[in-house]
Amino acid sequence: KQEVTQIPAALSVPEGENLVLNCSFTDSAIYNLQWFRQDPGKGLTSLLLIQSSQREQTSGRLNASLDKSSGRSTLYIAASQPGDSATYLCAVTTSTYSGGGADGLTFGKGTHLIIQP
Amino acid sequence: DTGVSQNPRHKITKRGQNVTFRCDPISEHNRLYWYRQTLGQGPEFLTYFQNEAQLEKSRLLSDRFSAERPKGSFSTLEIQRTEQGDSAMYLCASNQQGISGNTIYFGEGSWLTVV
Repeated sequence: KQEVTQIPAALSVPEGENLVLNCSFTDSAIYNLQWFRQDPGKGLTSLLLIQSSQREQTSGRLNASLDKSSGRSTLYIAASQPGDSATYLCAVTTSTYSGGGADGLTFGKGTHLIIQP
Repeated sequence: DTGVSQNPRHKITKRGQNVTFRCDPISEHNRLYWYRQTLGQGPEFLTYFQNEAQLEKSRLLSDRFSAERPKGSFSTLEIQRTEQGDSAMYLCASNQQGISGNTIYFGEGSWLTVV
């Protein structure tokens, strides 16, 4: 069974700092990995999608990397802003996923990020 | 494109009552998913549809839960004889198979509180 772990569980940094969020998964047979943002009481917004054949994806100040063989991904946020405060969730689609469908996602518990003004 | 729409956004119900949530996916998306999320946890997969066919159900989906997507457009998730443990946010998501690398789009969720 695929398990996704995110470290740290919570992070508080001053505005302007660069930061890294970590995600690890136990089954390297994945189709893709996605990073999502979730604001309190809201749904999820997809930030970046990395296919299993890719090493990284970039969108604005966000860069996500994927090392499939070691079961790790990182989300790098450059020049953090107070508006970046949210919970960041990592999720994988596993090719051998059972009971979850072809595109069923397995999520980590998230990293709760606070950017101090 | 108005995104994935869910209603009601909040529902408070007494234990033992039935509740139904509705999800309207992005119009051109053929896949629709239901997830459940409790506080401090990531979402957990419940079930998904491709068009009107329900292709997969998680073991989390007890026989008190039923989901339908009768015309391959909107979907409903019904919980019968609700229990306090059903209190959670129920998230709907959709995507189009093979498009955009299978990026999945979530709705704002429907909060259920069972008292």
